[in-house]
Amino acid sequence: QLQLQESGPGLVKPSETLSLTCTVSGGSISIHSYFWGWIRQPPGKGLEWIGSIFYSGNTYFNPSLKSRVDISVDTSQNQFSLKLTSVSAADTAVYYCARHYWAAAGRPFDSWGQGTLVTVSS
Amino acid sequence: SSELIQPLSVSVALGQTARLTCEREDIRSKAVQWYQQKTGQAPLLVIYKDKDRPSGVPDRFSGSNSGNAATLTISGVQAEDEADYYCQLWDNRVIFGGGTKLTVL
Repeated sequence: QLQLQESGPGLVKPSETLSLTCTVSGGSISIHSYFWGWIRQPPGKGLEWIGSIFYSGNTYFNPSLKSRVDISVDTSQNQFSLKLTSVSAADTAVYYCARHYWAAAGRPFDSWGQGTLVTVSS
Repeated sequence: SSELIQPLSVSVALGQTARLTCEREDIRSKAVQWYQQKTGQAPLLVIYKDKDRPSGVPDRFSGSNSGNAATLTISGVQAEDEADYYCQLWDNRVIFGGGTKLTVL
């Protein structure tokens, strides 16, 4: 059974870079039908897509975050990673990684990690 | 507008039918997904491509998409269906609705 697990610091200082890694187990990250995505959810608010990556490195980003976001993939480790630069309190959120079923119309997220809370504070 | 509009809250009596809407101009031209999110948990895909159910999702969950609104219908609502529900589509980027809190009375 596919499992995704986010890891990284739970506290980041303002203006610094948020870095998270998602480790995929129970299946390969190198599958043609799937991208791998990051989604976040500020406390008490809704879901916001950050971006998604294919195992080859192709990426798509939310235009509102694109200037601050980098997503990379390491197929040898079956992992993909998120970097968000110049963070502020507005970036405080639970960050989820998820499998993004690119081959399906609508491109659903069909498997999610449990999420990790990242707080931006000095 | 490119936004997806969902009512903030819907209440339904136990065993009755809940209908949650997701509105956008000409949404029928897009494939819509629905996610269930219980408190403290990650979202769970319950409907994709307007009306298809992933394996393991109870058949009381169904979806439709017509005109300017997609609808998630939960027939015979159970107490465990109380959750936040989000719609989502792809339009050169992922777009999520603001979410609806379903309360089971």
